[in-house]
Amino acid sequence: DGGITQSPKYLFRKEGQNVTLSCEQNLNHDAMYWYRQDPGQGLRLIYYSQIVNDFQKGDIAEGYSVSREKKESFPLTVTSAQKNPTAFYLCASSRDRGTSTEAFFGQGTRLTVV
Amino acid sequence: DAKTTQPPSMDCAEGRAANLPCNHSTISGNEYVYWYRQIHSQGPQYIIHGLKNNETNEMASLIITEDRKSSTLILPHATLRDTAVYYCIVWYNNNDMRFGAGTRLTVKP
Repeated sequence: DGGITQSPKYLFRKEGQNVTLSCEQNLNHDAMYWYRQDPGQGLRLIYYSQIVNDFQKGDIAEGYSVSREKKESFPLTVTSAQKNPTAFYLCASSRDRGTSTEAFFGQGTRLTVV
Repeated sequence: DAKTTQPPSMDCAEGRAANLPCNHSTISGNEYVYWYRQIHSQGPQYIIHGLKNNETNEMASLIITEDRKSSTLILPHATLRDTAVYYCIVWYNNNDMRFGAGTRLTVKP
């Protein structure tokens, strides 16, 4: 089945450790996105990538890093510099530029830092 | 920052139409209006999108004003399973896709 997969669904880490969240899509989409969601809040954009080997910061990029070495993969690293990393993280993808297109979301990773 | 404003919450009786408004007064000529919804702790689900004309699909209808500064999502016969947070977004060309706080719709029996 085609789709976008985030793993793991739940993740626990100790404070001060870096952690990498996986996002994989087999939809052949060019663009991919990472969002953070805190309880009762909307989605905030962390990073997005319109094409392989290129990405841009969103509104809350500090303390996060990404890479886009392959079209199907857009991993997010939550570094120790992120002051409040506990949150629900969502990944999305969308197809070619230039026309109207919908974005598909993964089911999210809930990160808890203790 | 999100380019849209929505009421924080709305209620609707089961079986009635739910009309969710969205203001996007700074929308650009090539930006589309998209609607998504998010049921608790899941990824957002695409509902519908449009540019200028009104649109309808199996889930909902989208009414966009002639000046494109606002739109309304209509769920024609709301069910309890439509209880969710509904997000209105303006977006084009795989650029940054920003969400606001959305509208929490509660469908009541």
